[in-house]
Amino acid sequence: DAKTTQPNSMESNEEEPVHLPCNHSTISGTDYIHWYRQLPSQGPEYVIHGLTSNVNNRMASLAIAEDRKSSTLILHRATLRDAAVYYCILGNAGKSTFGDGTTLTVKP
Amino acid sequence: DAGVIQSPRHEVTEMGQEVTLRCKPISGHDYLFWYRQTMMRGLELLIYFNNNVPIDDSGMPEDRFSAKMPNASFSTLKIQPSEPRDSAVYFCASSHTSGSGKREQFFGPGTRLTVL
Repeated sequence: DAKTTQPNSMESNEEEPVHLPCNHSTISGTDYIHWYRQLPSQGPEYVIHGLTSNVNNRMASLAIAEDRKSSTLILHRATLRDAAVYYCILGNAGKSTFGDGTTLTVKP
Repeated sequence: DAGVIQSPRHEVTEMGQEVTLRCKPISGHDYLFWYRQTMMRGLELLIYFNNNVPIDDSGMPEDRFSAKMPNASFSTLKIQPSEPRDSAVYFCASSHTSGSGKREQFFGPGTRLTVL
């Protein structure tokens, strides 16, 4: 399975944008890039996904490098409720492997 | 829809006892996943089913673990006999096939298992 690499932790100030990076240099041509987040004491929840083009939804934006070997999850205005572990995972079938993720701390 | 339902939410048992965790996926979903989460190992995929058929059980730690999906609306994860190192939060998730490549998995609230 293709693996992803994310920083262990990041900090942000409230109301500021946050860019969470993910490297996936061994991504295959059919792998979609998915982002999930896990709030404290909850199960992971879907944030966004993409294949080649940048994507936007109500929660976040996903910027995908042209060679697809990296991607960035963008939270446009971080709130305290965005403090969570963010996972970048790859998959094109049922199976997706979660790595260690990035723990995002948002400071008021 | 009520989302993915797991029961029990908390389970405390003694070493050697049998433990059964239950999951009801979202209606209409054709994939079901069982995960285990610990501080040491993070979130691990144990097994997943497609249309009630086990597809990949390579994450099941050992023969003490077994999972079944007798129908589209119910799955169990059984540990027999249980050991203290099985203490973890067990998540069930479900998803449906989508032509857009969206494999959004909906996770249940988890079962926190403590084996004494």
